Amino acid sequence: AQSVTQLGSHVSVSEGALVLLRCNYSSSVPPYLFWYVQYPNQGLQLLLKYTSAATLVKGINGFEAEFKKSETSFHLTKPSAHMSDAAEYFCAVSEGNTPLVFGKGTRLSVIA
Amino acid sequence: KAGVTQTPRYLIKTRGQQVTLSCSPISGHRSVSWYQQTPGQGLQFLFEYFSETQRNKGNFPGRFSGRQFSNSRSEMNVSTLELGDSALYLCASSLIRTQNTEAFFGQGTRLTVV
Repeated sequence: AQSVTQLGSHVSVSEGALVLLRCNYSSSVPPYLFWYVQYPNQGLQLLLKYTSAATLVKGINGFEAEFKKSETSFHLTKPSAHMSDAAEYFCAVSEGNTPLVFGKGTRLSVIA
Repeated sequence: KAGVTQTPRYLIKTRGQQVTLSCSPISGHRSVSWYQQTPGQGLQFLFEYFSETQRNKGNFPGRFSGRQFSNSRSEMNVSTLELGDSALYLCASSLIRTQNTEAFFGQGTRLTVV
């Protein structure tokens, strides 16, 4: 069965600094991988998804993620953090026709 | 195009009561999934419906049930509520159900059991 591990339940960065949120997955077949963002009192919004077309995936709001099969990782990055990026971020994996499996989430704080 | 609509947004119930939550998917979407989100357990899958048929079910007790109507709207029901059922319940809809199909989430229903 597939699983997702997000390293760090809370990450704090300064405004303008690099954002790096880590995600490692476990899957018995080539997976489909997703990053979602959740703002307070809101549902989840898709940032980007990996579907095997390209290992570097660009998403919305300047975020991107790189699929590394050898490391079973799909880390999310953004070159320069903005205050509006403060939210909770979830990595998710899907294989076959099984439902999305989410990581525990990483709360990103951005310090002015 | 309207998004996924969940009603009500907030709900307070007493232990032992039952509750019904509603989800209206994006027009044309046929797949609806439900998730429970709690601080301790994160996002846990409850069940998934496609064309009125339950296709997947998560590891939750039988007190949790759901259904989907012919117009793709879905409801979930929790009977004999327990304090531990307090959570944000999220509904997600997809056009079809394949592994790389984007799921669109509603804002959720915040259930508090007292």
